[in-house]
Amino acid sequence: RKEVEQDPGPFNVPEGATVAFNCTYSNSASQSFFWYRQDCRKEPKLLMSVYSSGNEDGRFTAQLNRASQYISLLIRDSKLSDSATYLCVVTNLGNMLTFGGGTRLMVKP
Amino acid sequence: SAVISQKPSRDICQRGTSLTIQCQVDSQVTMMFWYRQQPGQSLTLIATANQGSEATYESGFVIDKFPISRPNLTFSTLTVSNMSPEDSSIYLCSVSGGRAGETQYFGPGTRLLVL
Repeated sequence: RKEVEQDPGPFNVPEGATVAFNCTYSNSASQSFFWYRQDCRKEPKLLMSVYSSGNEDGRFTAQLNRASQYISLLIRDSKLSDSATYLCVVTNLGNMLTFGGGTRLMVKP
Repeated sequence: SAVISQKPSRDICQRGTSLTIQCQVDSQVTMMFWYRQQPGQSLTLIATANQGSEATYESGFVIDKFPISRPNLTFSTLTVSNMSPEDSSIYLCSVSGGRAGETQYFGPGTRLLVL
């Protein structure tokens, strides 16, 4: 079993739609959680951190459920520019990052 | 945030040869990281490069295949040795940042194709 698992997609949604991604992690001792965004042929960039209390940044909301060991990302009012691969990232002791396989999102006009 | 550059940005190499990738950071950092991203896949950590000591390799990666140098606090190199087509990948270097070092900043990557 992979340490961090994501549905690879692709998720094809129309502009304006709401879309949600989930990610599960296997190490209950994981300490920090993030969503990164990777555009085609580019490097990953931090989108947002994920906290147990939830974290909202504009149209993006991230949630962490430690009991069930899953992380979610909700995107409201999707834009064409949201098309990218979204990587779920978990850190363990020593801040070592483990990446999920990524979920590909395609927003269409 | 950190600004990271990598050279070369891309290369096409013959099997059996070696390629050295350079990574330059605009600030002094203790640890630099080298990742591999194979086609259609996510990132896998190859090794952690500390200045003044040998790199620490992750399971499945060895120094003979991926020797790393870290001569100072702003620079590192990764060599992909005796290349085969299976080494075709994107290689990215990164550094930690953020208030608690929990954020990772990546270089633009080196796109390698081995024929």
